[in-house]
Amino acid sequence: DAGVTQTPRHEVAEKGQTIILKCEPVSGHNDLFWYRQTKIQGLELLSYFRSKSLMEDGGAFKDRFKAEMLNSSFSTLKIQPTEPKDSAVYLCASSLKGRRSEQYFGPGTRLTVL
Amino acid sequence: TQTVSQSDAHVTVFEGDSVELRCNYSYGGSIYLSWYIQHHGHGLQFLLKYYSGNPVVQGVNGFEAEFSKSDSSFHLRKASVHWSDSAVYFCAVSCNNYAQGLTFGLGTRVSVFP
Repeated sequence: DAGVTQTPRHEVAEKGQTIILKCEPVSGHNDLFWYRQTKIQGLELLSYFRSKSLMEDGGAFKDRFKAEMLNSSFSTLKIQPTEPKDSAVYLCASSLKGRRSEQYFGPGTRLTVL
Repeated sequence: TQTVSQSDAHVTVFEGDSVELRCNYSYGGSIYLSWYIQHHGHGLQFLLKYYSGNPVVQGVNGFEAEFSKSDSSFHLRKASVHWSDSAVYFCAVSCNNYAQGLTFGLGTRVSVFP
């Protein structure tokens, strides 16, 4: 079985650009999560989908971050416009329905905003 | 709101030593607890979880964790570490509300020396 895949693995953007990160969850998983990881803040939840419905949208990230689940096997995270403080690793994870404590993570996308 | 605290930012051990990583949480209700490992440049990998029953749970690669309600703790242990255990370890909690995602601690970096 394929794990969670994320593309691209690295992204460099200029301040003000729009970037889209992609995620394919494990086949058959109903729950999908987007996290931002930095050394200072650790892992911060950006979005949580259950069966394509948005359950949690990580409050503080609402204004420039938008995650979508286009179908059960594909999700995107759009950051618009990007700012240098958005430089971080963005992780996507999925789990079986109701098993949020056992998540499968992708390798992450390292975003650098200049 | 649940919070997670991992008191040690960095732990150094020698191969063959035992190690204990501390995790304390705060939340008044039913809680799910889990541990994840992250090797450099990779996403997080699930190790083990606890919700109810035997307070000592076994995970992969010889890891185990013990839940203590009185101490609000869920410490991770391994009897004999290997160099490949060098990684960052994250404790995570989630409450019994399916609309919420996980809350992660800031992680403990474990360095295993030969």
